[in-house]
Amino acid sequence: DSGVTQTPKHLITATGQRVTLRCSPRSGDLSVYWYQQSLDQGLQFLIQYYNGEERAKGNILERFSAQQFPDLHSELNLSSLELGDSALYFCASSVLADTGELFFGEGSRLTVL
Amino acid sequence: AQTVTQSQPEMSVQEAETVTLSCTYDTSESDYYLFWYKQPPSRQMILVIRQEAYKQQNATENRFSVNFQKAAKSFSLKISDSQLGDAAMYFCAYSKNDMRFGAGTRLTVKP
Repeated sequence: DSGVTQTPKHLITATGQRVTLRCSPRSGDLSVYWYQQSLDQGLQFLIQYYNGEERAKGNILERFSAQQFPDLHSELNLSSLELGDSALYFCASSVLADTGELFFGEGSRLTVL
Repeated sequence: AQTVTQSQPEMSVQEAETVTLSCTYDTSESDYYLFWYKQPPSRQMILVIRQEAYKQQNATENRFSVNFQKAAKSFSLKISDSQLGDAAMYFCAYSKNDMRFGAGTRLTVKP
């Protein structure tokens, strides 16, 4: 158990819909990262937050947005969903802004039909 | 942007034998971290080993060791005495301001 909690574990929705994925980092970790893993692909970095502020942005679509709240949990919002958005979405956390080891949640599997 | 390249999409090893997974990366930084993560069928990301770039000594963790060649920007993973439970996807990762991953190598272990 990494200490990072992601909900929901599985989500099935239709094209055009909007979903929210939630992440609670390990106790004491200030930095949260979101990654997308499509089937049999590597992990694509989406976005990083540190202590409530956006710190780094990767290949995140404009239809996607994220935020980190004062209690340090984070939410990833995916809107106008397309079939290609079906993927495993990982949240990871670390103590520092400049990453040492990342601790990963179990992922949220999104299926868009 | 930093890139991480894993040139072996798939590798296979006989149980109890040794296998080496390759990774190269591109960066202009001098201080950074490198990692190998394992992703079994459960999809959980599990840290295998880490290396700080300022350390010349290669990291080891039990049966896992790395060959870190800073000048060549190479970071290979050696798995000794391979076990059936080592079968998984292995991802090489580079970390400075954020963490970027390679495309992965699928390792099969034959009994």
